[in-house]
Amino acid sequence: AQSVTQPDIHITVSEGASLELRCNYSYGATPYLFWYVQSPGQGLQLLLKYFSGDTLVQGIKGFEAEFKRSQSSFNLRKPSVHWSDAAEYFCAVGAGAAGNKLTFGGGTRVLVKP
Amino acid sequence: GAVVSQHPSWVICKSGTSVKIECRSLDFQATTMFWYRQFPKQSLMLMATSNEGSKATYEQGVEKDKFLINHASLTLSTLTVTSAHPEDSSFYICSAEPGQGSYEQYFGPGTRLTVT
Repeated sequence: AQSVTQPDIHITVSEGASLELRCNYSYGATPYLFWYVQSPGQGLQLLLKYFSGDTLVQGIKGFEAEFKRSQSSFNLRKPSVHWSDAAEYFCAVGAGAAGNKLTFGGGTRVLVKP
Repeated sequence: GAVVSQHPSWVICKSGTSVKIECRSLDFQATTMFWYRQFPKQSLMLMATSNEGSKATYEQGVEKDKFLINHASLTLSTLTVTSAHPEDSSFYICSAEPGQGSYEQYFGPGTRLTVT
């Protein structure tokens, strides 16, 4: 069975600083990988996804992620964090024939200091 | 576009009663809808997958007789928690997939259920 690990439960970063959120997955086949953001009172929003091709994926809100098969990782990065980026971030792997059965990591809560 | 709503957003019920949660895709048709459960400060756990007009597929360990899922139309799925108990208190989130092969799910804002 697939699994996803987000080693960092909380991360505090200063506004304007760079951010990197770690994600490691375990899956027997080629994974479909996703990053979602959850803000209070709002549904999860897809930041970016990887299925195949270029291992550096660009997403919305200035986020990017890099798929590294050798490390089973899919880390999320943003060069300069804004106060509005404070939220909970989830990495997920999609399994099943359609790749749409998502297994989520435990999440990383990002706090942004002014 | 691609908005998913849930109703109610918050519900309190007494132990032993049943509660129905609605999930609607407002501006697209969803061939597949998913129901997740999220405990406080924890991740989402997939409960079941439902396709319009067919029976839901439940994940291992999820009681199908307790969590009744109906996907009667391409824009509406319902989750009914039957004979609710305090341990069923949780945050329930649905998502909808626009079409097969879209590989993208749109999530509702969630419903917080408290059973007293």
